[in-house]
Amino acid sequence: GAVVSQHPSRVICKSGTSVKIECRSLDFQATTMFWYRQFPKQSLMLMATSNEGSKATYEQGVEKDKFLINHASLTLSTLTVTSAHPEDSSFYICSASSVRGANTEAFFGQGTRLTVV
Amino acid sequence: RKEVEQDPGPFNVPEGATVAFNCTYSNSASQSFFWYRQDCRKEPKLLMSVYSSGNEDGRFTAQLNRASQYISLLIRDSKLSDSATYLCVVSGAGSYQLTFGKGTKLSVIP
Repeated sequence: GAVVSQHPSRVICKSGTSVKIECRSLDFQATTMFWYRQFPKQSLMLMATSNEGSKATYEQGVEKDKFLINHASLTLSTLTVTSAHPEDSSFYICSASSVRGANTEAFFGQGTRLTVV
Repeated sequence: RKEVEQDPGPFNVPEGATVAFNCTYSNSASQSFFWYRQDCRKEPKLLMSVYSSGNEDGRFTAQLNRASQYISLLIRDSKLSDSATYLCVVSGAGSYQLTFGKGTKLSVIP
């Protein structure tokens, strides 16, 4: 099946620094990728929709200037958490979907556990 | 009403038990339905798609009732390895965007 690779899997950074997370579709082209955040014991919450060659679409309450998304190619989307703070510590997961007819299946990256100290 | 709503759980069941999870969705235009499994601190992985006719994969059976906007997952002969959080997922027609339920945690006890 389709594979999505996310890197890094774990990162610890100091408050005020920026962290970049990469999401790659390895064997298919993804014009659209999604970035989710999951806090402990909570559900996956969509942060933004990343569109190849255009601006990302952010969900309500997600600061676009803080969570920078770049989708420069059909196989790579990046999420940069700028000026990270401890409350940004979370599990970040990307996904890319494959649409076949009326059916959609999502493939997830392995996730990135961000800890801001 | 939440877009995708699941049983709150947690479900604690003995090995060998049969357990059923339910899920309702609010958007009647939804076209694709899935159950994903998420292990602790891991990414979600597709367990099975859900079709109108119902489908079975080994010990797992999924059902869809469009009239009631209801999806179910039945696990027979539970194994310890089935312990995980099960996510009900819905998408619109030809849409890349998926909506997740909050998940139901299952613990299978020896």
